[in-house]
Amino acid sequence: DTGVSQDPRHKITKRGQNVTFRCDPISEHNRLYWYRQTLGQGPEFLTYFQNEAQLEKSRLLSDRFSAERPKGSFSTLEIQRTEQGDSAMYLCASSLAPGQGDEEQYFGPGTRLTVT
Amino acid sequence: AQKITQTQPGMFVQEKEAVTLDCTYDTSDPSYGLFWYKQPSSGEMIFLIYQGSYDQQNATEGRYSLNFQKARKSANLVISASQLGDSAMYFCAMRPWRGGANNLFFGTGTRLTVIP
Repeated sequence: DTGVSQDPRHKITKRGQNVTFRCDPISEHNRLYWYRQTLGQGPEFLTYFQNEAQLEKSRLLSDRFSAERPKGSFSTLEIQRTEQGDSAMYLCASSLAPGQGDEEQYFGPGTRLTVT
Repeated sequence: AQKITQTQPGMFVQEKEAVTLDCTYDTSDPSYGLFWYKQPSSGEMIFLIYQGSYDQQNATEGRYSLNFQKARKSANLVISASQLGDSAMYFCAMRPWRGGANNLFFGTGTRLTVIP
């Protein structure tokens, strides 16, 4: 299967701990997006990469959040000193850059984070 | 700023009947794309259908069609011949076509339940 994968699918952590999530995009996609979805809401944009460059960050992405895509392939999203308000589904999506063909964003299954 | 409004928190439809899920949007961008995604309980966002703001004809994909009324800024999803497997959350989303992230802006979703 060559879809977007995310790991882990579920994470339970105690307040104050650090967590890291991984996303593996579709191999030929050069754009990678992170979204956050809280209960009863649609996904909200956090940040995106084109190849290894992080080009935009939402105001939702506080200083406790950091994302990387070191080799332009997989990406990690780290949350430091987790808070209960960080409990959410974290979705990753990938696509081609504009003008390179099908620009549809393909989503992974998400990582559901619960902070106790 | 972009705003997507889905006014129906929940909808019920009899199996084999058609159902319309409402979506209105607000944007100052002259060029944009409209999307519908399905999110089953597993969490993955599944792309259903796309409509470009300059497309003259309404988009169709199998049992899905998008009723696009640009002047009213509405992009309703019509599902024909509902099936039990259609029970899920449905999200309307918009992406402005301009430089930058081209990220998706989502509505709050409609939970569709198909009744046997």
